[in-house]
Amino acid sequence: DAGITQSPRHKVTETGTPVTLRCHQTENHRYMYWYRQDPGHGLRLIHYSYGVKDTDKGEVSDGYSVSRSKTEDFLLTLESATSSQTSVYFCAISKNGQGPYEQYFGPGTRLTVT
Amino acid sequence: GDSVTQMEGPVTLSEEAFLTINCTYTATGYPSLFWYVQYPGEGLQLLLKATKADDKGSNKGFEATYRKETTSFHLEKGSVQVSDSAVYFCALSGGSQGNLIFGKGTKLSVKP
Repeated sequence: DAGITQSPRHKVTETGTPVTLRCHQTENHRYMYWYRQDPGHGLRLIHYSYGVKDTDKGEVSDGYSVSRSKTEDFLLTLESATSSQTSVYFCAISKNGQGPYEQYFGPGTRLTVT
Repeated sequence: GDSVTQMEGPVTLSEEAFLTINCTYTATGYPSLFWYVQYPGEGLQLLLKATKADDKGSNKGFEATYRKETTSFHLEKGSVQVSDSAVYFCALSGGSQGNLIFGKGTKLSVKP
């Protein structure tokens, strides 16, 4: 358990509204990731962060932005939600000193865009 | 680009049956390979890993061997339990951003 929480756990929103998802960790790990999980696609990387204010794009970053102003928090924002962004979103961290590929996942946020 | 292909599910087995979930990969270089498991309503958990050819990862009775010659990392368990019902993801360390590349997942249901 890496002390990862995500909020909210469930959200329903309307097309065109902004949405922010929060990932919080309690252990000060440097690397944090946002993935989306969709049937038939596995998990795909949206954005990742390698430190405070250091972020970069992943495979499916269009329509998403992120911010990391504190080590413990990594925010994912959908500026104007679309139905194609209906998905389950997972935050993950990799522990300091363990390398980037052993990742620990949060419980997920189920987002529905109507 | 790098990719992972795993067998389509769902897989339904009776308790104590033998499990194999096939995973093959395409990658440049020498990736590490992983199996993650997702129980209903939860995030993914690392199940096992192998970092180089011929390595065998094992955990909780599950095993997988990194076969470079066949580019495979098949997951096996000799006797499954109802509690093993979950979705299993094969993944490799191939992303240029330090991310994992996942297969699509295989859902396993074990019946008593």
